[in-house]
Amino acid sequence: QSALTQPPSASGSPGQSVTISCTGTSSDIGRYNYVSWYQQHPGRVPKLIIYEVNKRPSGVPDRFSGSKSGNTASLTVSGLRAEDEADYYCSSYLGSNWVFGGGTKLTVL
Amino acid sequence: QVQLVQSGAEVKKPGASVKVSCKTSGYIFTGYSIHWVRQAPGQGLEYMGWIDPKDGRTDSTQKFQGRVALTRDTSINTAYMELSTLKSDDTAVYYCAGDLFRTTCGDSWGQGTLVTVSS
Repeated sequence: QSALTQPPSASGSPGQSVTISCTGTSSDIGRYNYVSWYQQHPGRVPKLIIYEVNKRPSGVPDRFSGSKSGNTASLTVSGLRAEDEADYYCSSYLGSNWVFGGGTKLTVL
Repeated sequence: QVQLVQSGAEVKKPGASVKVSCKTSGYIFTGYSIHWVRQAPGQGLEYMGWIDPKDGRTDSTQKFQGRVALTRDTSINTAYMELSTLKSDDTAVYYCAGDLFRTTCGDSWGQGTLVTVSS
């Protein structure tokens, strides 16, 4: 199973919004609403920030939102803050296993 | 609170095997799947497989089939990942992650275990 496709980098200024895409196929993102997003700061453990396409775990700011259209999922970070600078990974259910995207490095300018 | 605590760093020679443990607490161990994910230095996350602690059912991605063994010991709420025939490109941080939401490949993660494969 090939990895989901994410842009390697994204950037925005504080206060702005940025959207990161995650493109799969009709066998993963297009078939299941089990898309998650993870945030990982350097040297830290990945943290779940979005699950089931658009749900936020307790404690995750509502500045983070998720959506899906067809075979592409998206993560939007609104009101960018310096602490949002991190790597972001999407993941999708495949029916028996899971697959990650290659990751996007978000830079806050 | 939910905790997943992994075993310590390992250094192995090519061709050897490594077994990483993941001790859980704070939730019903047999109620939720545990996933295994690895991350090579400077690289992204790579999904390996999962185990259902209730019945021991497992699945792994094609890349690892035949080389990874996922097991558990329900008496001590611990899951294990054993990877055999190690190669240098197996050098990575290996994570276990509990799926308490039942719809993710991990919502509560262990701290990671660095496995270094070097001759």
